[in-house]
Amino acid sequence: GDSVTQMEGPVTLSEEAFLTINCTYTATGYPSLFWYVQYPGEGLQLLLKATKADDKGSNKGFEATYRKETTSFHLEKGSVQVSDSAVYFCALNQAGTALIFGKGTTLSVSS
Amino acid sequence: NAGVMQNPRHLVRRRGQEARLRCSPMKGHSHVYWYRQLPEEGLKFMVYLQKENIIDESGMPKERFSAEFPKEGPSILRIQQVVRGDSAAYFCASSPDKSGANVLTFGAGSRLTVL
Repeated sequence: GDSVTQMEGPVTLSEEAFLTINCTYTATGYPSLFWYVQYPGEGLQLLLKATKADDKGSNKGFEATYRKETTSFHLEKGSVQVSDSAVYFCALNQAGTALIFGKGTTLSVSS
Repeated sequence: NAGVMQNPRHLVRRRGQEARLRCSPMKGHSHVYWYRQLPEEGLKFMVYLQKENIIDESGMPKERFSAEFPKEGPSILRIQQVVRGDSAAYFCASSPDKSGANVLTFGAGSRLTVL
């Protein structure tokens, strides 16, 4: 079945460092891809999405490009802030079915 | 708009007791999804409901677990005779329609601890 694999954390960075969180997927067909973020004590929020190959999703300085050839959707940010500390989840869905999530990657940014 | 409200946020039960988790979707949302997050695991889909109907329960354990979303009131996830392995965070999400899972709005979760 469909699945999502993302890099294990925690990822610990200093403020203004470059961030990459890897995400690869296995799916039949052409899924939509998402990154969700969960701040401490809160629910998951949609961060960005891409619905077809080569699409780039972006939001709040974060970007991810849908790479069909490598089945990847890596999350990047050029300069992280302390306020970016959270758990990041990669997810996919097909044809309106339930979202399939990765295990989540904890990001900790120190000043 | 209060968003998706889940309660209780934390629940402690002893083995064999029942746990009831409630989820009030966003105003205007009639589709509810329940997910479970076990320690060191991702979020696993459990069940998808519309008002008074279970649409997809493929992720629900066959025994002890049930869910409902009545015409009036919140959606309820019920776990009977809880065991330690049920300890997890349970997240509810809602959407206004079935047009795509990308409009899911999540609650803050209910954390169940079974002693």
